[in-house]
Amino acid sequence: RKEVEQDPGPFNVPEGATVAFNCTYSNSASQSFFWYRQDCRKEPKLLMSVYSSGNEDGRFTAQLNRASQYISLLIRDSKLSDSATYLCVVNLYNTNAGKSTFGDGTTLTVKP
Amino acid sequence: DTGVSQDPRHKITKRGQNVTFRCDPISEHNRLYWYRQTLGQGPEFLTYFQNEAQLEKSRLLSDRFSAERPKGSFSTLEIQRTEQGDSAMYLCASDLVLRGYTFGSGTRLTVV
Repeated sequence: RKEVEQDPGPFNVPEGATVAFNCTYSNSASQSFFWYRQDCRKEPKLLMSVYSSGNEDGRFTAQLNRASQYISLLIRDSKLSDSATYLCVVNLYNTNAGKSTFGDGTTLTVKP
Repeated sequence: DTGVSQDPRHKITKRGQNVTFRCDPISEHNRLYWYRQTLGQGPEFLTYFQNEAQLEKSRLLSDRFSAERPKGSFSTLEIQRTEQGDSAMYLCASDLVLRGYTFGSGTRLTVV
């Protein structure tokens, strides 16, 4: 079993749709969590950190469920520019030091 | 400072040759990481530096791989006696505590 698991998709949604991705992690001692987006043949870029209380950044909302060991990303009012692969990232330390474990990503395609 | 720089962008080498990649992190970031990514997979952790000290190294990293960060500035990753399985994108990242990674554009290695 992988340490961080994501549904690879692809998720194909129309513009304006709301879409949600989940990610599960196996190590209950994990302390810090992130979502990154990666465009085709580009490097990953930080989308947002995920806090225990949940957090929102514009159209994006991230939630953490420690009891069930999953994090989620909700995208509202999808734009064409949201098409990308979304990577879930987990780290053992609350300082995010050392090894971070990436999921293999969920691919989103937003269509006109 | 324009971000994390990696050189070269592409490298094609024959099996058995040695290759060396360079990473220049964001100057105020004291933490530096190397990851490797293959198609359809998330980035896989290789090694981590805090300043000039190499604090963590993946068990997956064979003794053909070595990384240095002299004086806590730029870093080099060397692969000796390359194998076809080493073909991948090698990503460097730097960060500050709790800020998430800034990745470079990567070095794409092809071993023929």
